[in-house]
Amino acid sequence: AQSVTQLDSQVPVFEEAPVELRCNYSSSVSVYLFWYVQYPNQGLQLLLKYLSGSTLVKGINGFEAEFNKSQTSFHLRKPSVHISDTAEYFCAVGGGADGLTFGKGTHLIIQP
Amino acid sequence: DTGVSQNPRHKITKRGQNVTFRCDPISEHNRLYWYRQTLGQGPEFLTYFQNEAQLEKSRLLSDRFSAERPKGSFSTLEIQRTEQGDSAMYLCASSTQGLAGGEQFFGPGTRLTVL
Repeated sequence: AQSVTQLDSQVPVFEEAPVELRCNYSSSVSVYLFWYVQYPNQGLQLLLKYLSGSTLVKGINGFEAEFNKSQTSFHLRKPSVHISDTAEYFCAVGGGADGLTFGKGTHLIIQP
Repeated sequence: DTGVSQNPRHKITKRGQNVTFRCDPISEHNRLYWYRQTLGQGPEFLTYFQNEAQLEKSRLLSDRFSAERPKGSFSTLEIQRTEQGDSAMYLCASSTQGLAGGEQFFGPGTRLTVL
């Protein structure tokens, strides 16, 4: 069985400040890890993914995430956020062909 | 660039009615997934197809829910005798078997409101 915990339901950040969105997972099998972003009234868009190899993964829009196997974490970071980053962010885990298991999401609120 | 499309985008129905949603995946993708997303929650996996074969359906929420992909291209999700608790966003995603890590591409969703 797999599960994902996103500890923060909301994260308010000032524009141009750094941000970290936390994600912890549990899985009994090898995992693939994903971060998706959902803008209002839109579907999910892939930000980045970890499959294997380097534990630091770079994605679109300046986001990056670090896979930490010992802490079973996959936190998302951005050094400087923009107002357009306001959205819902979902961490997900997958083990292959089956459906993904998502966390409950973190609402990133950018304050001017 | 043709992504995953879903129709309708919005559906309002009365309790007890049947509804059907359609998903058209990216053309070269042979895997198709259905998810449900309720307010304040992440997407919840329901079922998936590889070509026309439905390989996982134990996660469908009840026997009122069914899905088909008759020719291995588009798919439909039907909910019979809708209940107010079925109100949610229904998301479709597709992927290709050769794509490592099961990366899935999502459509915009169909928002269902049951009155």
